[in-house]
Amino acid sequence: AQSVTQLGSHVSVSEGALVLLRCNYSSSVPPYLFWYVQYPNQGLQLLLKYTTGATLVKGINGFEAEFKKSETSFHLTKPSAHMSDAAEYFCAVSDPGTGNQFYFGTGTSLTVIP
Amino acid sequence: KAGVTQTPRYLIKTRGQQVTLSCSPISGHRSVSWYQQTPGQGLQFLFEYFSETQRNKGNFPGRFSGRQFSNSRSEMNVSTLELGDSALYLCASSSLPGAYEQYFGPGTRLTVT
Repeated sequence: AQSVTQLGSHVSVSEGALVLLRCNYSSSVPPYLFWYVQYPNQGLQLLLKYTTGATLVKGINGFEAEFKKSETSFHLTKPSAHMSDAAEYFCAVSDPGTGNQFYFGTGTSLTVIP
Repeated sequence: KAGVTQTPRYLIKTRGQQVTLSCSPISGHRSVSWYQQTPGQGLQFLFEYFSETQRNKGNFPGRFSGRQFSNSRSEMNVSTLELGDSALYLCASSSLPGAYEQYFGPGTRLTVT
């Protein structure tokens, strides 16, 4: 079965600083990869996805992620954090080996310090 | 285009009761997935329906069941509620099952007392 690891359940950055949220997956077959964001009392919103093609993916709100097959990673970055980025972030994979079932990481709570 | 809607948004039930949650996917989407979200376990996959058929099922007891109607609306049912069933239940829809991005509803917050 697929597993998704998000290093750091809580990350704090200063406003204007780089945001780096880490995600590693386990799969011998490259899966499809996603990042979602969840604001309090809301559902999940898709930030970006990787399926095929260019390994650097740009998403909404200035976020981007790079798929690195050799490292089985899909880390999420944003050059300059805004206060509005404070939320819970989830990495997810869709595993072709199990009928494309979705697997989510345990989430990373991002705090932005003014 | 309207998003995924879930009803009710909040629910309080007593142990031993049963509950039915509803999800209306985005118009044209035929795949609906359900997830349970708790602080301790994170997001756990419950099941996925496509064209009225259960396509995948997570590792949950038989007290958790679901179905999908011909208009793609889906319901999930939890019987004999336990305190541990208290969670946010999220529904997600996609145009096709599997690899396509899922669009999530706001969730139903279930509290079991």
